[in-house]
Amino acid sequence: NAGVTQTPKFQVLKTGQSMTLQCAQDMNHEYMSWYRQDPGMGLRLIHYSVGAGITDQGEVPNGYNVSRSTTEDFPLRLLSAAPSQTSVYFCASSYTATSGRDTQYFGPGTRLTVL
Amino acid sequence: AQTVTQSQPEMSVQEAETVTLSCTYDTSENNYYLFWYKQPPSRQMILVIRQEAYKQQNATENRFSVNFQKAAKSFSLKISDSQLGDTAMYFCAFCHSGTYKYIFGTGTRLKVLA
Repeated sequence: NAGVTQTPKFQVLKTGQSMTLQCAQDMNHEYMSWYRQDPGMGLRLIHYSVGAGITDQGEVPNGYNVSRSTTEDFPLRLLSAAPSQTSVYFCASSYTATSGRDTQYFGPGTRLTVL
Repeated sequence: AQTVTQSQPEMSVQEAETVTLSCTYDTSENNYYLFWYKQPPSRQMILVIRQEAYKQQNATENRFSVNFQKAAKSFSLKISDSQLGDTAMYFCAFCHSGTYKYIFGTGTRLKVLA
């Protein structure tokens, strides 16, 4: 198993540009989520999904869109990038949506810089 | 709102010694899970240990153990026989049963000294 994969590893955008961060898992996990990590702030939940076709907002959803058309993929879209979205983004997944009971596996992260 | 507080931004410990990282949390719920995650310089997040709130017994995983004080809402991590490979950021996290929303603390940077 490749586990949780994220692409790209690094990205530089200009203010106003849009892009999609890709996340995929090959473990047949129901639950997938996106976090952002900022210095001194820990990880904050952006959006999550408990199965194909089901998504919901986390703590900091503004400026981001998600969709879950397949079990494997959970892309994160930045609609109009802003410097405040400069961060490291992590995707995570777990086997079931029974919160806490299953281990969350994290991807390697994407470092995004918005100029 | 639920919060997780890690009051020690940085700590250091000599190799082979024991260190304890602190974490407190705030919730009015009774059923939840608590976690410690390790993030080494590679940036990969790795689950170290998990505690279910309804279990009174403290969780242990090899050299890692927790001191879970439910009434005090405290969840500290003890690392015994510290190794150089334990050098990392450590995050305490919390999740209510059935909510799927994980709340992370701001992290403690641990450095193990040779």
